[in-house]
Amino acid sequence: EPEVTQTPSHQVTQMGQEVILRCVPISNHLYFYWYRQILGQKVEFLVSFYNNEISEKSEIFDDQFSVERPDGSNFTLKIRSTKLEDSAMYFCASSELQGRSGTQYFGPGTRLLVL
Amino acid sequence: AQSVTQPDIHITVSEGASLELRCNYSYGATPYLFWYVQSPGQGLQLLLKYFSGDTLVQGIKGFEAEFKRSQSSFNLRKPSVHWSDAAEYFCAVGAGMGMRFGAGTRLTVKP
Repeated sequence: EPEVTQTPSHQVTQMGQEVILRCVPISNHLYFYWYRQILGQKVEFLVSFYNNEISEKSEIFDDQFSVERPDGSNFTLKIRSTKLEDSAMYFCASSELQGRSGTQYFGPGTRLLVL
Repeated sequence: AQSVTQPDIHITVSEGASLELRCNYSYGATPYLFWYVQSPGQGLQLLLKYFSGDTLVQGIKGFEAEFKRSQSSFNLRKPSVHWSDAAEYFCAVGAGMGMRFGAGTRLTVKP
C-alpha cells in the first residue's frame, strides 16, 4: 500500500538555524499539506500546496516558513530561523482530491527539537 | 469558524468492554468528518471518514462512527476493545484545504 514518507524522523537543531523537512507524498496525489503537533497538543494545519502554489495557509505559517516541491517526488518544509517554540512533530500529508473532500494520508512525522 | 471538540481528554476502559469516543463539530456546510488514530511515537492513521450518504460508517480495526447532524456529532464506537487499541484518537473536520483537528482523546485499556 502506498505511503507518505518523511525524513528525517528526528532532527535536533540550534535556535536560529535553518531546517528543511522532507516528504515524499503518495505518487498519484496532487495535493500536499504540512501540519504540526506540539507535544501534548492538537494537530494544527500549517499549509496546503497544489500545482506549485500555496493554496491555503494558517496564521501559524508566517514568513519563517516556506514550502517547495523541488522535483517530481519531494515536498519540503523550510523553517528559516528556528525558534524554541518550533519544537514539534511535523506531519506531511497528501491527497488525491482537493479540499475538504479529499482524504488526507499522513506520513510518520519528523520530530523537531530546537535547543 | 470550523472547529472540533472532543470533550474527553482521557478514557480508560477494560479490555473487551465497549467504547464510545465523543466528537462534536462546528461547520457551516455539510461536514466532511474523519477519525484518525495515533499510537505513541507514530503518525496518524485514518480509521474512517464520512462524506455523505449512510450516517453509520464502518472503518478499519472494527471501529464505526455515526454522524448525527441534529447533534453536530460524529462519535466513534467499538463493541469490544482490544489492548492494542490503546492510543490517541483524533476527530477532524475537512475545512477548506486543511483539516481542523480536535484535541484528541487518549484511550487506556485495562487488562
